[in-house]
Amino acid sequence: RKEVEQDPGPFNVPEGATVAFNCTYSNSASQSFFWYRQDCRKEPKLLMSVYSSGNEDGRFTAQLNRASQYISLLIRDSKLSDSATYLCVVSPSYGSSNTGKLIFGQGTTLQVKP
Amino acid sequence: DAGITQSPRYKITETGRQVTLMCHQTWSHSYMFWYRQDLGHGLRLIYYSAAADITDKGEVPDGYVVSRSKTENFPLTLESATRSQTSVYFCASSESHLAGAGEQYFGPGTRLTVT
Repeated sequence: RKEVEQDPGPFNVPEGATVAFNCTYSNSASQSFFWYRQDCRKEPKLLMSVYSSGNEDGRFTAQLNRASQYISLLIRDSKLSDSATYLCVVSPSYGSSNTGKLIFGQGTTLQVKP
Repeated sequence: DAGITQSPRYKITETGRQVTLMCHQTWSHSYMFWYRQDLGHGLRLIYYSAAADITDKGEVPDGYVVSRSKTENFPLTLESATRSQTSVYFCASSESHLAGAGEQYFGPGTRLTVT
């Protein structure tokens, strides 16, 4: 079983739609959670961190459910420019050490259509 | 220019040849990472480094060698390239290993083809 699992999609939605992605992680001791965005043939970039209380950044809302070990990303009022691959990322905890490593999910592809 | 750069951006090499991919960052970040990205696998960690002269294996280290004699440079060497090492290679850096400091900054990537 992969440490971080995502539905690869693609998700094809019209402009203005609301779309949600989920991600599950296997290490219950994981400490930190993030969503990265990767445009086609480009490097990944941090979109937002995910906090236990949930957090919002404009049209983007991230939620964390530690009990069920899943993370979600909600995008409201989708724009053409939101078309990208969204990577779910987890910072694992191995015993008492934190190595700075991140575990990346395979990514979910979003295509927003006019 | 400030940031993280990789060279070359594109490379075609033959099976069995040694290839070195360069990574340079100007932020003096302590942590640096090498990933490969392949369809169906996402980003997989090859090696990482917590500081100069400190390196450790990631998920897929076989066939690769790294060194870090200076904080700003983290070269990745394929000792004898194989076709299975055809991939996009990303270098990344981060300033802290503390929990919550999860932003890694990625270079633009090197597209390597082994024929």
